[in-house]
Amino acid sequence: IVMTQSPATLSVSPGEMATLSCRASQSVSSDLAWYQQKPGQAPRLLIYGSSTRATGIPARFSGSGSGTEFTLTIASLQSEDVAVYYCQQYNNWPPLTFGGGTKVEIK
Amino acid sequence: QIQLVQSGAEVKKPGASVKVACKASGYTFNRYSIGWVRQAPGQGLEWMGWVSGFNRNTYSAQKFQGRVTMTTDTSTTTAYMELRGLRSDDTAVYFCARHSGTSPIHAFDIWGQGTLVTVSS
Repeated sequence: IVMTQSPATLSVSPGEMATLSCRASQSVSSDLAWYQQKPGQAPRLLIYGSSTRATGIPARFSGSGSGTEFTLTIASLQSEDVAVYYCQQYNNWPPLTFGGGTKVEIK
Repeated sequence: QIQLVQSGAEVKKPGASVKVACKASGYTFNRYSIGWVRQAPGQGLEWMGWVSGFNRNTYSAQKFQGRVTMTTDTSTTTAYMELRGLRSDDTAVYFCARHSGTSPIHAFDIWGQGTLVTVSS
């Protein structure tokens, strides 16, 4: 399954909403996770099951979608949210597949 | 706390092998499985394979089959990934990550800090 993320780069003003998209080449049901990776760090799980926030993740992060279309929304962008965000499907394996990533920066 | 701690950076020559260790702590090792993911410089995440912490079942991505071995040692709660026949394009940061369940049909909820493997003559 090929995972396609858009846009590649997203520039958002502080306090504004950021909307990231992820599309699967075939249905993955709700077996979709989102990860945040800051420079020099390991990825961190944000969302699993398409819409469930992982432990300790702020409420400004939300996920939605099922089947082939998914969205990660950051309700009010903070400076600490600057990172690359990856989606990953775990419905159909092997292989497990990641999207190419969306880089979120401050405008 | 729950954590995965990986072994240190490695520099290898082309054709050599590397073995990366991933020490788990803070949870029952055999109730979860471990995946391996790598990231080439400036690139995205690439899944390499999976090993069960329960029964040591393993599966590697087709790209790496024949070159990679993934194992676990339950006595030391450590997972290992060995990659053989190293090439320059194997230069990457290698991550271990815990699946939030016994099989790969779960997200990765805990990640190691990464191990940089540099392949250079």
